[in-house]
Amino acid sequence: EIVLTQSPGTLSLSPGDRATLSCRASQSVNNNYLAWSQQKPGQAPRLLIYGAVNRDTGIPDRFSGSGSGTDFTLTISRLEPEDFAVYYCHQYGSLPRTFGQGTKVEIK
Amino acid sequence: QVQLQESGPGLVKPSETLSLTCTVSGGSISNFYWSWIRQSPGKGLEWIGHIYHTGSTSYNPSLKSRVTMSIDTSKNQFSLKLDSVTAADTAVYFCARGVRFDPWGQGTLVTVSS
Repeated sequence: EIVLTQSPGTLSLSPGDRATLSCRASQSVNNNYLAWSQQKPGQAPRLLIYGAVNRDTGIPDRFSGSGSGTDFTLTISRLEPEDFAVYYCHQYGSLPRTFGQGTKVEIK
Repeated sequence: QVQLQESGPGLVKPSETLSLTCTVSGGSISNFYWSWIRQSPGKGLEWIGHIYHTGSTSYNPSLKSRVTMSIDTSKNQFSLKLDSVTAADTAVYFCARGVRFDPWGQGTLVTVSS
């Protein structure tokens, strides 16, 4: 199975800062089928990015995804107060589907 | 818009079977994969498996021997059974649509305890 490793574990930033989150796969993700989701306390995750680079419907353009193969990045250009949350990557290019362990973006 | 809602017992005894149902509203259950995912403090997010509207399934090898999924297209519902549960199966269980997992249900906490 593909192991996804996210870094850093925690990112301490201020509103208005740029956030850069990494997701590294143990082997190449087929068709770059890599997604990013956001989870807030007590809520289910919400899809932000799919296919490594495509924003889901209604997702603000301050969220962007990049990368291919084994290295992927989620960038939040300017953090808004509602962006402080945990972010997960998951791959859907092969079975079993797997998730990264998450990156927490917290207020500095 | 499509919404998913999990339902089932919140408490299951060790060695018994965990049974959950996900009800899909606002859209058809056809032509999608439907997944079960769980989240526990110790293991993060774990994909349990998925079922297609035809009834075809795929399970995580780590749980395959204990998992059964089924689907009822007439009721727009799909279900999860996990046999021989232990405390390690205590988690929030989510259902989700498609391979991108969009959207998710709100999740239901299942505690395994006597």
